[in-house]
Amino acid sequence: EAQVTQNPRYLITVTGKKLTVTCSQNMNHEYMSWYRQDPGLGLRQIYYSMNVEVTDKGDVPEGYKVSRKEKRNFPLILESPSPNQTSLYFCASSLTRHTQNEQFFGPGTRLTVL
Amino acid sequence: AQTVTQSQPEMSVQEAETVTLSCTYDTSESDYYLFWYKQPPSRQMILVIRQEAYKQQNATENRFSVNFQKAAKSFSLKISDSQLGDAAMYFCAFANAGGTSYGKLTFGQGTILTVHP
Repeated sequence: EAQVTQNPRYLITVTGKKLTVTCSQNMNHEYMSWYRQDPGLGLRQIYYSMNVEVTDKGDVPEGYKVSRKEKRNFPLILESPSPNQTSLYFCASSLTRHTQNEQFFGPGTRLTVL
Repeated sequence: AQTVTQSQPEMSVQEAETVTLSCTYDTSESDYYLFWYKQPPSRQMILVIRQEAYKQQNATENRFSVNFQKAAKSFSLKISDSQLGDAAMYFCAFANAGGTSYGKLTFGQGTILTVHP
């Protein structure tokens, strides 16, 4: 089944404790991105990757890192999480960055930083 | 930068009735796409319908249709014969068809739709 998977689905952590949210897709997609969803703000793009070893900042990159060492994986790294990073996170992928390609979303990761 | 505005935080509709969700956007681009996504309680993001800006004909997908007014920068979603399963958060989204930011989806704030039996 073609899908985007994220792990963990739920995470409660404390300020300053490094964490990684994994994202993997099995559709051989080139373009992958991370979004965060906050009440009243909709979803905002954090980082994106056009292909292996090619990543760039989205609209809200502060406090996050990403890597793209393999085509299928695009982990989101919070090296020193803070309470303002409590949010719902989505990974998305599409065949290429061309807008006509549908973006497929993962199931979301609910992160709480205490 | 593009912005997307959904001015209706919440909407409600009776089962089998019709409801329209509003969305306006701002852009200086001429070539772009607009989308409506549905987010049910499961939180999964589901593409409902999309519209290409250069197409004058409004997109339709079964009970879902849009009213795309390019000059007014308006993109509303009409749900006909509403069903209980339509209850969800609905997001309007914009994406450039070119330029440095294309590929990125810019989302509105969302509208929570409640369907009453």
